[in-house]
Amino acid sequence: KAGVTQTPRYLIKTRGQQVTLSCSPISGHRSVSWYQQTPGQGLQFLFEYFSETQRNKGNFPGRFSGRQFSNSRSEMNVSTLELGDSALYLCASSPGGRSYGYTFGSGTRLTVV
Amino acid sequence: KNEVEQSPQNLTAQEGEFITINCSYSVGISALHWLQQHPGGGIVSLFMLSSGKKKHGRLIATINIQEKHSSLHITASHPRDSAVYICAVLDSNYQLIWGAGTKLIIKP
Repeated sequence: KAGVTQTPRYLIKTRGQQVTLSCSPISGHRSVSWYQQTPGQGLQFLFEYFSETQRNKGNFPGRFSGRQFSNSRSEMNVSTLELGDSALYLCASSPGGRSYGYTFGSGTRLTVV
Repeated sequence: KNEVEQSPQNLTAQEGEFITINCSYSVGISALHWLQQHPGGGIVSLFMLSSGKKKHGRLIATINIQEKHSSLHITASHPRDSAVYICAVLDSNYQLIWGAGTKLIIKP
């Protein structure tokens, strides 16, 4: 069965622009979580969506937002990009019960110039 | 002090050696994950543990809930095992708290 698909794989944007990243979870998975990975900060939790509702949110500014559609696909949006937003953005899906494991996508590498 | 501590941070070993990576945590957890990240970024979930021990191929993961400690072992290590191994715990608020990772290099 198909894994977690993130698109695009690579993205270059300029400061001030906005960006939308997409994550398609494994079929049947209802939970999608987003993470930011930078060399200095490691992996940090952005937010989690379950059945189209944001269930958890990390400590990121309001420029970072997300949503989940009825087919469980999720998008993450970052507005007014800053250089420090350059990172690998990973999403992970799980069936939904929090005791289940996560399957990660390959990530979107965002470079802000 | 970080809530999830991994050791060592870096590990270089010869092919065939037995590898142990440790993870200690200070929060109450509902589960602990071991993940593998290769250069390029892709993360693979290796194990999810809430008690005891799990084995998959040459990989073994153990957890001691009372001591708040988990270990990941690799037997008969191979250069393709070279990666960053990350421990992450699912806390009582159901958020993943990540360790800093252990960079493993296996030399042929």
